Amino acid sequence: DAKTTQPNSMESNEEEPVHLPCNHSTISGTDYIHWYRQLPSQGPEYVIHGLTSNVNNRMASLAIAEDRKSSTLILHRATLRDAAVYYCILTDNYGQNFVFGPGTRLSVLP
Amino acid sequence: ETGVTQTPRHLVMGMTNKKSLKCEQHLGHNAMYWYKQSAKKPLELMFVYSLEERVENNSVPSRFSPECPNSSHLFLHLHTLQPEDSALYLCASSQVGDRNNEQFFGPGTRLTVL
Repeated sequence: DAKTTQPNSMESNEEEPVHLPCNHSTISGTDYIHWYRQLPSQGPEYVIHGLTSNVNNRMASLAIAEDRKSSTLILHRATLRDAAVYYCILTDNYGQNFVFGPGTRLSVLP
Repeated sequence: ETGVTQTPRHLVMGMTNKKSLKCEQHLGHNAMYWYKQSAKKPLELMFVYSLEERVENNSVPSRFSPECPNSSHLFLHLHTLQPEDSALYLCASSQVGDRNNEQFFGPGTRLTVL
């Protein structure tokens, strides 16, 4: 079973920020938090990951709660190309045993 | 070719056929994966090969048989499949020990079992 829970779907307007939440209350001290997204008719692609501190990259930001039991993926300005299913995954240091949940289907409205 | 490629992109087979899916990664990675994505179900990890050794089986039925002849190629041999095996089969690769532990996915093979 997936060790994370996410809302089934979310909607955003184009050019607005999007906050995608993920709960992982059973996270262990060594689990990394990874985010992937799957665009229509494509395989998943890496978005961002973190362990304890907040992280930023060119695609998104990851805010991790102080107790690490939840995290939020932040897309600063949603575009139509960001419409996808977003997956929050916990993994060990080797990053091999990914357990995907159903993810959050993000719709972006023009 | 760049990234992870998969062939064929679409496959239709009968329950008595034998076929193989092919995956090739052009990234110099040392681990490769097979995933299954059924309609309305999450992605399921089927097999993991790390340094060409299988490390995860995840209780996949024996009608699915993986083969990893070298670090760049991964096959999934299929025989006597069932209609419920119809799904998108995704291959991925990664570099174990890399800072991001990022998995790179191919576009998938859409399999239909009649």
